[in-house]
Amino acid sequence: AQRVTQPEKLLSVFKGAPVELKCNYSYSGSPELFWYVQYSRQRLQLLLRHISRESIKGFTADLNKGETSFHLKKPFAQEEDSAMYYCALSFFTQGGSEKLVFGKGTKLTVNP
Amino acid sequence: GAVVSQHPSRVICKSGTSVKIECRSLDFQATTMFWYRQFPKQSLMLMATSNEGSKATYEQGVEKDKFLINHASLTLSTLTVTSAHPEDSSFYICSGTWGRGAQEQFFGPGTRLTVL
Repeated sequence: AQRVTQPEKLLSVFKGAPVELKCNYSYSGSPELFWYVQYSRQRLQLLLRHISRESIKGFTADLNKGETSFHLKKPFAQEEDSAMYYCALSFFTQGGSEKLVFGKGTKLTVNP
Repeated sequence: GAVVSQHPSRVICKSGTSVKIECRSLDFQATTMFWYRQFPKQSLMLMATSNEGSKATYEQGVEKDKFLINHASLTLSTLTVTSAHPEDSSFYICSGTWGRGAQEQFFGPGTRLTVL
């Protein structure tokens, strides 16, 4: 079954420190993976997707098929990065419906 | 980016009544809309997927007769919680996307439903 695991519920770092939010997935096909972010009192929004291989707000994520991971990294965390981060897997069911399965999320707190 | 709105943002209703939540894509045509439910401090759980003009596909465990979804146009989907009970109290979020295959989903701000 398709599954996304984010092992850390909470992650706290100091400003300027590197940060890595872990994400592992379970999917037999070729995965389409995303990171979504939800800042306080705001709606969920896309941070980045693996197919575009871009860096957004200094964040990068590399798909590692061998380890079935899609960890999110930033070399120097900023206070404004404090938010809830969700890793998500997109796939099509046998019936042809598109689905997005979310991990449970990691709350990142960047302390001054 | 594309904008999705939801109305109302919060609603309080009595047990046994029905509540309708609207989800609109304001500046794009959403070929597919999704409805999620989010419990406090938990992740989003997909309830159903709807394509314009066709019946919604419900996730296992979601009662289709209780959560009626209509996707009448490419810019509007509605979720009606029928005969609401206190356990239906939750945060309901919709999202829309266009095209197929690894497309970004654009999320609405959510609707807080409280059933007394």
